[in-house]
Amino acid sequence: GEEVAQTPKHLVRGEGQKAKLYCAPIKGHSYVFWYQQVLKNEFKFLISFQNENVFDETGMPKERFSAKCLPNSPCSLEIQATKLEDSAVYFCASSLSREKLFFGSGTQLSVL
Amino acid sequence: KQEVTQIPAALSVPEGENLVLNCSFTDSAIYNLQWFRQDPGKGLTSLLLIQSSQREQTSGRLNASLDKSSGRSTLYIAASQPGDSATYLCAVERSQGAQKLVFGQGTRLTINP
Repeated sequence: GEEVAQTPKHLVRGEGQKAKLYCAPIKGHSYVFWYQQVLKNEFKFLISFQNENVFDETGMPKERFSAKCLPNSPCSLEIQATKLEDSAVYFCASSLSREKLFFGSGTQLSVL
Repeated sequence: KQEVTQIPAALSVPEGENLVLNCSFTDSAIYNLQWFRQDPGKGLTSLLLIQSSQREQTSGRLNASLDKSSGRSTLYIAASQPGDSATYLCAVERSQGAQKLVFGQGTRLTINP
């Protein structure tokens, strides 16, 4: 597709529940990124992939967050045992190489 | 640690005016700088990307400049229109490693008809 597709648009979880977010990058793009937007305009890098390989995961809280990009499947970001502070908008982005990033419209995660 | 600052945080101008948004960064070792636009409830749209070796990029009414040595970039919007109302963010990619962007806090722009 010609746009980054993220699902679901909204996700509500009770504290301690699992949350799983999905991202279909633009076809042909090699790089996939996950960013977290907490409060307005504070973007935090989480993880990047080159094809199905983790490229940089220095932003991931590894004890509860995990991510995958498997061939022929949407990429996913999973949060085990969600906490209140995980409430944020999670954006996925893709790029062809080290060029412009194309962002999806985000998944709003609310942890109650 | 790279820090990106955008001034002003909010700007409101009448339609038709030319305006400048500012972005500064603390570490001049960058690979590129991008300007994005974010509409409420939406993702980011990349407007302009300036490689570290470039001084400016233009797209339509938008012009972005980069002065790496002083750690500054500006986004110039000519003949502003109400449809330009959005939050504008700049982000820098460090020179090494993956395409890991460090974002500024954004400037919320309102163009009044």
